[in-house]
Amino acid sequence: GESVGLHLPTLSVQEGDNSIINCAYSNSASDYFIWYKQESGKGPQFIIDIRSNMDKRQGQRVTVLLNKTVKHLSLQIAATQPGDSAVYFCAENMNTGNQFYFGTGTSLTVIP
Amino acid sequence: DADVTQTPRNRITKTGKRIMLECSQTKGHDRMYWYRQDPGLGLRLIYYSFDVKDINKGEISDGYSVSRQAQAKFSLSLESAIPNQTALYFCATCRGTSGRNEQFFGPGTRLTVL
Repeated sequence: GESVGLHLPTLSVQEGDNSIINCAYSNSASDYFIWYKQESGKGPQFIIDIRSNMDKRQGQRVTVLLNKTVKHLSLQIAATQPGDSAVYFCAENMNTGNQFYFGTGTSLTVIP
Repeated sequence: DADVTQTPRNRITKTGKRIMLECSQTKGHDRMYWYRQDPGLGLRLIYYSFDVKDINKGEISDGYSVSRQAQAKFSLSLESAIPNQTALYFCATCRGTSGRNEQFFGPGTRLTVL
């Protein structure tokens, strides 16, 4: 199976600071990536996605960077807020979108 | 109203019992998925279905079976539950067309097998 891993299982940041969550993937054939946010007691929710023909994509307060050379994905959250506290997962997918492979998750805690 | 619902939300059962977890969706998506989530292991795919006549095994299908009764319903069964099937189970749907292949997740079912 594929290996999708995160460098750090936990991350604590001060409110207002920027957060960076990293993800490594092992399959160079993966061409679609999604970041999900999972709050306590809830299912994962889509944050942002990126295709392999891009190296950067921006959303509202979030930016995803893709480095295909080193098979690395990161999620940047600007001006982190208490409501951003959650577990963040990256997921990779190939071609037809049949199966997604999820990383183990990073727990983000925002300190007021 | 929730687009993807799961029942029950919590279940405690005993080893050897048959358990069925239900998933319903109102999104009109063709693709449905069952995942389990364990601490430190992330989400792992159990089964997925692209339409009513299509069932596919995922990464960890042993000990599980599924039924796609209709486009909107996808159920997961544990024929004889065992303690290592204690986990959080998520159902998800996906439109599956080109473009964004976002999966929409249900709220999860917490299953404990004693």
